[in-house]
Amino acid sequence: DADVTQTPRNRITKTGKRIMLECSQTKGHDRMYWYRQDPGLGLRLIYYSFDVKDINKGEISDGYSVSRQAQAKFSLSLESAIPNQTALYFCATSGDSGLYNEQFFGPGTRLTVL
Amino acid sequence: SQQGEEDPQALSIQEGENATMNCSYKTSINNLQWYRQNSGRGLVHLILIRSNEREKHSGRLRVTLDTSKKSSSLLITASRAADTASYFCATGQYNQGGKLIFGQGTELSVKP
Repeated sequence: DADVTQTPRNRITKTGKRIMLECSQTKGHDRMYWYRQDPGLGLRLIYYSFDVKDINKGEISDGYSVSRQAQAKFSLSLESAIPNQTALYFCATSGDSGLYNEQFFGPGTRLTVL
Repeated sequence: SQQGEEDPQALSIQEGENATMNCSYKTSINNLQWYRQNSGRGLVHLILIRSNEREKHSGRLRVTLDTSKKSSSLLITASRAADTASYFCATGQYNQGGKLIFGQGTELSVKP
């Protein structure tokens, strides 16, 4: 089974709808991240959480909110979706052992906002 | 703004050739990592180089880091068609925990 899972894998929604993307991990990591990927722009950090009680805004948090329900679960919400939020969304995790930590990515959620 | 900028944006080579991708960054770092992404899939970690290291090898991968020039390169030797993917550099900074900043990526195409 995959260590980092994301649901749904694909979603089409309409402008103004509220949508939640979910991420679960079995790696036992404290640190979790949400990114969005747009063609030619690489990955941009939306929110990150270093433990259940720690939530931080990333580079592009406007229009998004998150919830860290447990160590293993980190959800991303779009309160009122707009077309320019159409993108590929990735959840990632990392351990907390020292300064050097690789990130482990989920398979991504492809979101289309019409 | 993006910390890392990668060059070239796209690279097309024949199987067996070497592929070199470059990454430049703007601020001091404590490590630089390279990731691979097959089309539309999640990123996979390839290699991490610390700021006090200059070169690192892993199989057919060779990474160099020049902190004076704020740049890194990823060399894939004897490329294979299966190496076709996008490659991203990501930098980790001091006092930022595990947070990384990613470049825009290099799209590598290896033709059989």
